[in-house]
Amino acid sequence: DAKTTQPNSMESNEEEPVHLPCNHSTISGTDYIHWYRQLPSQGPEYVIHGLTSNVNNRMASLAIAEDRKSSTLILHRATLRDAAVYYCIPPQGGSEKLVFGKGTKLTVNP
Amino acid sequence: NAGVTQTPKFRVLKTGQSMTLLCAQDMNHEYMYWYRQDPGMGLRLIHYSVGEGTTAKGEVPDGYNVSRLKKQNFLLGLESAAPSQTSVYFCASSSTFGTGTSYEQYFGPGTRLTVT
Repeated sequence: DAKTTQPNSMESNEEEPVHLPCNHSTISGTDYIHWYRQLPSQGPEYVIHGLTSNVNNRMASLAIAEDRKSSTLILHRATLRDAAVYYCIPPQGGSEKLVFGKGTKLTVNP
Repeated sequence: NAGVTQTPKFRVLKTGQSMTLLCAQDMNHEYMYWYRQDPGMGLRLIHYSVGEGTTAKGEVPDGYNVSRLKKQNFLLGLESAAPSQTSVYFCASSSTFGTGTSYEQYFGPGTRLTVT
């Protein structure tokens, strides 16, 4: 399995941008990089995915390094509701598995 | 749409007892999954199904059985519960399959199981 490295935790203030980094240096194949998040006491939810170039959706932006060995999830204006564990899920060569590591716990301060 | 629902929400079992967790989805998704999440850990895939009548083993299948008799339901069974199976169980479904696509899985709220 491809391995990821994410900070255990990060803090942000409300309405400020947040950059959540992920290192997936052992990336294999040409599959998508996915990000999910898990709000307290809930199941994970999909955030965004990308292949090679930067991607935007209503929830976040995803910046992918040119060599695809790292990516950064960007929340443009953090809200209290964005407090969650964020999982960076690297490509797995077409695998059925979404490999969830320990993720980054984001705390948003009012 | 209710999305993905799980029954029950909580359960306490004694070692050796059996139980079935029910997952239902109303999105007409072909693919369904069962995960477990232990404290402070990420999710691990137990079993999955690529269609009605099919099941396959995931990362940690031992001690569990599954069935997918109807497209909308995916059942997870514990035949003889052990304390090591104390965990939160999440069901998910998706319309696509594999990390080679936009792999958006929709998760249920979870079942918190304690085995004493």
